[in-house]
Amino acid sequence: DGGITQSPKYLFRKEGQNVTLSCEQNLNHDAMYWYRQDPGQGLRLIYYSQIVNDFQKGDIAEGYSVSREKKESFPLTVTSAQKNPTAFYLCASRPGTSAITDTQYFGPGTRLTVL
Amino acid sequence: AQSVTQLDSHVSVSEGTPVLLRCNYSSSYSPSLFWYVQHPNKGLQLLLKYTSAATLVKGINGFEAEFKKSETSFHLTKPSAHMSDAAEYFCVVSSLKGGRRALTFGSGTRLQVQP
Repeated sequence: DGGITQSPKYLFRKEGQNVTLSCEQNLNHDAMYWYRQDPGQGLRLIYYSQIVNDFQKGDIAEGYSVSREKKESFPLTVTSAQKNPTAFYLCASRPGTSAITDTQYFGPGTRLTVL
Repeated sequence: AQSVTQLDSHVSVSEGTPVLLRCNYSSSYSPSLFWYVQHPNKGLQLLLKYTSAATLVKGINGFEAEFKKSETSFHLTKPSAHMSDAAEYFCVVSSLKGGRRALTFGSGTRLQVQP
């Protein structure tokens, strides 16, 4: 099956700890994205990557870090500097970087709760 | 700047009756517009996409949306609601932002379907 997988589905973290969320895709998509979703709100972009070994900050990057060492993988680390990390995190990918291929496809999400 | 306004945060319909979810957008040029659906604790699934080929766009599960440039609207409709349609729906506009393709999300409309 082709698709985007995120793990784990639920994640609990103590305050002050870093945690890494996994995102893997086997769609051979070039671009990958991380979004944060809070209750009653739309999605906000954290980081994105258009090619391997390159990534850019989105609208709310503070307290987060990413890497893109492989085309199929785009892990997100939530650091202790993120003041309010409890949220639902969604990973997405897109086939290319042109306007023609601007549809993004989403993974199932990871719900992070800080205790 | 691009923006999306979903006019209703909650919509409740009876099973078998029509569904109307309203969306207005602002864009400095002809945008790509999307509707995504999200079931509880799940990722987003693409319902349909407008790319200027036709103003009436048919999507999955019997949904369709009409692009009206004069009204800057992209409302989502379905002739007859099914219980499985209960979910959150997001209207999304794609635009160029800082040299990259970016999605701007509405705040979502929660659809309830009563038996």
